[in-house]
Amino acid sequence: EPEVTQTPSHQVTQMGQEVILRCVPISNHLYFYWYRQILGQKVEFLVSFYNNEISEKSEIFDDQFSVERPDGSNFTLKIRSTKLEDSAMYFCASSDQRGVADTQYFGPGTRLTVL
Amino acid sequence: GDSVTQMEGPVTLSEEAFLTINCTYTATGYPSLFWYVQYPGEGLQLLLKATKADDKGSNKGFEATYRKETTSFHLEKGSVQVSDSAVYFCALSDKGGSQGNLIFGKGTKLSVKP
Repeated sequence: EPEVTQTPSHQVTQMGQEVILRCVPISNHLYFYWYRQILGQKVEFLVSFYNNEISEKSEIFDDQFSVERPDGSNFTLKIRSTKLEDSAMYFCASSDQRGVADTQYFGPGTRLTVL
Repeated sequence: GDSVTQMEGPVTLSEEAFLTINCTYTATGYPSLFWYVQYPGEGLQLLLKATKADDKGSNKGFEATYRKETTSFHLEKGSVQVSDSAVYFCALSDKGGSQGNLIFGKGTKLSVKP
């Protein structure tokens, strides 16, 4: 069964450094998402992406964040200058449609630790 | 804004016990409601969903009924197994808000003992 994959599974970085989290969505999907979960808190929506542009973003997704689909398979989240509070589990998801009831398929997550 | 509240965990049950995980929501539009499950080391997987009031979603022995009058979507299973041990997330997607984007609860960790 097709699945969303994410790399790395765990990333440790120093405050102020740039990180790139990578995702490979399911191959025929067109809509892509990033979510994050700070330890002990809710899973929060960051950004959605369709047709090579951002379709929606939350207040969390400020100028330090960017997303890109550099080729036909990868979908990346870049954090330009990491802060301690960026430490969280980051989930990528994809779906083949974008209706309210359409299933989003999630990857296993990347745990980001900022020291 | 839209939100989801689910019962705090962890929940520990013996095998074959009855499970209820409570979930309530607030939404401005007409949300669709979801339960996702995360097994250890894996991503979030859709467990079941309901798209309108009084709909019942069901899968793998789990079920949840969309109750508009109580704004609830409680997850139930009549007889849990050790393999059901996981974290369960209630979520909504609201046509009037962030269409297609999910709003999650905090998650409830379930441990089932043999």
